[in-house]
Amino acid sequence: GAGVSQSPSNKVTEKGKDVELRCDPISGHTALYWYRQSLGQGLEFLIYFQGNSAPDKSGLPSDRFSAERTGGSVSTLTIQRTQQEDSAVYLCASSTEIRDRGQEQYFGPGTRLTVT
Amino acid sequence: GDSVTQMEGPVTLSEEAFLTINCTYTATGYPSLFWYVQYPGEGLQLLLKATKADDKGSNKGFEATYRKETTSFHLEKGSVQVSDSAVYFCALSDPGAGSYQLTFGKGTKLSVIP
Repeated sequence: GAGVSQSPSNKVTEKGKDVELRCDPISGHTALYWYRQSLGQGLEFLIYFQGNSAPDKSGLPSDRFSAERTGGSVSTLTIQRTQQEDSAVYLCASSTEIRDRGQEQYFGPGTRLTVT
Repeated sequence: GDSVTQMEGPVTLSEEAFLTINCTYTATGYPSLFWYVQYPGEGLQLLLKATKADDKGSNKGFEATYRKETTSFHLEKGSVQVSDSAVYFCALSDPGAGSYQLTFGKGTKLSVIP
């Protein structure tokens, strides 16, 4: 079956512009996660959704970052007024329902964001 | 908070050599442990996992044992191949502490030469 898909695969934007990154999870997966991968910081958690709600927004680095999920499926990560330090690969993952142990997350190919 | 520490790379080995990548963790609760792999130009893939003490996860010739007493989850493979060249990430989740996301180590880049 289809895996997690993300779009665009690459995005170059000017400092100060807003960007939207999209994630399509595996069909039937109720949990969705956003991470970012950068050379300096490694892999960082940003936010997760269970259904359409986001119980934990603690990883969002600033109020310029927001995310939403509609219909329990597609999610959009929005970065407003982008800064050069936002340059990174943004990864989306999905899993079946949140459970206590051993939950496997399946990752998409990522969106490489470059802020010039 | 929770954290994962893994050995710094890069690691370069000859084909058929023995591989160990060390990983230790700190966690508030009783975490589940994972190794993910990222092949060149590809996304993160789950390699193996273990959910309780003394469990051994294994896949594609790789193994790791959950050692609670030493808070470790070292990755091993008896005979590496060129195709194993990738970046390996140790990770944990800690649902008992309300943490469903993965906390990753910084990754270890492995290069296997013929």
